Amino acid sequence: EAGVTQFPSHSVIEKGQTVTLRCDPISGHDNLYWYRRVMGKEIKFLLHFVKESKQDESGMPNNRFLAERTGGTYSTLKVQPAELEDSGVYFCASSRPGTSAQYFGAGTRLSVL
Amino acid sequence: AQSVTQLDSHVSVSEGTPVLLRCNYSSSYSPSLFWYVQHPNKGLQLLLKYTSAATLVKGINGFEAEFKKSETSFHLTKPSAHMSDAAEYFCVVSSLQGGKLIFGQGTELSVKP
Repeated sequence: EAGVTQFPSHSVIEKGQTVTLRCDPISGHDNLYWYRRVMGKEIKFLLHFVKESKQDESGMPNNRFLAERTGGTYSTLKVQPAELEDSGVYFCASSRPGTSAQYFGAGTRLSVL
Repeated sequence: AQSVTQLDSHVSVSEGTPVLLRCNYSSSYSPSLFWYVQHPNKGLQLLLKYTSAATLVKGINGFEAEFKKSETSFHLTKPSAHMSDAAEYFCVVSSLQGGKLIFGQGTELSVKP
């Protein structure tokens, strides 16, 4: 069984540019989550999809962040326009319906210069 | 509200000696608790989980954790450290099945030869 895959693994962009991160969950996992770790801080929740619906987006920092999960399969997280403080590692995780354990991808390291 | 406190930001042990990584939690509900590990340049890997069954939970690679409700603790232990255990470890709580995870600050484990 393939794990959660994320790409790119690393993205370097300039302030004001747009970046799109992609996450492919484990097949059959209806739940998909995005998290972020900013340098020196703890990993924090951004949002949760159940299939294609946003179940909880309470962690999204502002309206420069847009997450989508068309068709309930892969998800994208777009940052537009990127700011310096958006730098960090963005993790995606997925889980089966009715379970609590989440399985994580390797993350995308975003550097905004 | 749920929260997690990892009591040590960095722990250093010698190979072959016991490992103790400390975690205290706060939860309004009966929590699900997890330990995840992140090796350098890798994703987060689930070590073990507690979901209200046995209070002593065994995980992968010889790790185990004990849920102590009276002390609100969920410390991670291993009888004998191996060089390959060097990594960052995260104590995590989730109050709702399928809900967001709340991470501790992480504990960096170093293993000396």
